[in-house]
Amino acid sequence: ETGVTQTPRHLVMGMTNKKSLKCEQHLGHNAMYWYKQSAKKPLELMFVYNFKEQTENNSVPSRFSPECPNSSHLFLHLHTLQPEDSALYLCASSQQAGTGGVREKLFFGSGTQLSVL
Amino acid sequence: TQLLEQSPQFLSIQEGENLTVYCNSSSVFSSLQWYRQEPGEGPVLLVTVVTGGEVKKLKRLTFQFGDARKDSSLHITAAQPGDTGLYLCAGPGTGANNLFFGTGTRLTVIP
Repeated sequence: ETGVTQTPRHLVMGMTNKKSLKCEQHLGHNAMYWYKQSAKKPLELMFVYNFKEQTENNSVPSRFSPECPNSSHLFLHLHTLQPEDSALYLCASSQQAGTGGVREKLFFGSGTQLSVL
Repeated sequence: TQLLEQSPQFLSIQEGENLTVYCNSSSVFSSLQWYRQEPGEGPVLLVTVVTGGEVKKLKRLTFQFGDARKDSSLHITAAQPGDTGLYLCAGPGTGANNLFFGTGTRLTVIP
């Protein structure tokens, strides 16, 4: 399998549940990202990991907890979410973060469509 | 606050027509990227423009970066149903790792 793979593709959870989103990249990249895409807002950066170190936390509520055990895997742990957290969560990777900002090419996964009831 | 406004927000056209979508800001950007996101998929990078006034072509797609590097346009010639998707522009944000996305134009090409 190649590219960036996200699982699950769809997730429905209650506000008291705990769930995790998984992302895996097979591109040999060193940077991984979580983005949130809502129907009425532009794509929002949540977290950035560069060589397994978190380099950006874009004021994300603590009910979202990222984990990056190695450069190929990224998780987003979810707990006590709110209905307004329903969105498409996209994972992306790039060769390296912070070397030139927008000049880096981002490769996105297909996303996890999350619904919080 | 940086903001990338894209227009129109929605566009529905017949196959074979031409169209232009815009990405505008009051801020100057060192470069801008354009992505296309097809239904059920993540965004895919189409092009990066880095020089004011630059024009890049990708088959039927023509991208232009404004002279003042505050805006960009995407022109599609003879649109095809496969062009259907959400078109996003993006530029560098305040952090080194921060790619800042525009509001998007959702294009539908009707066969």
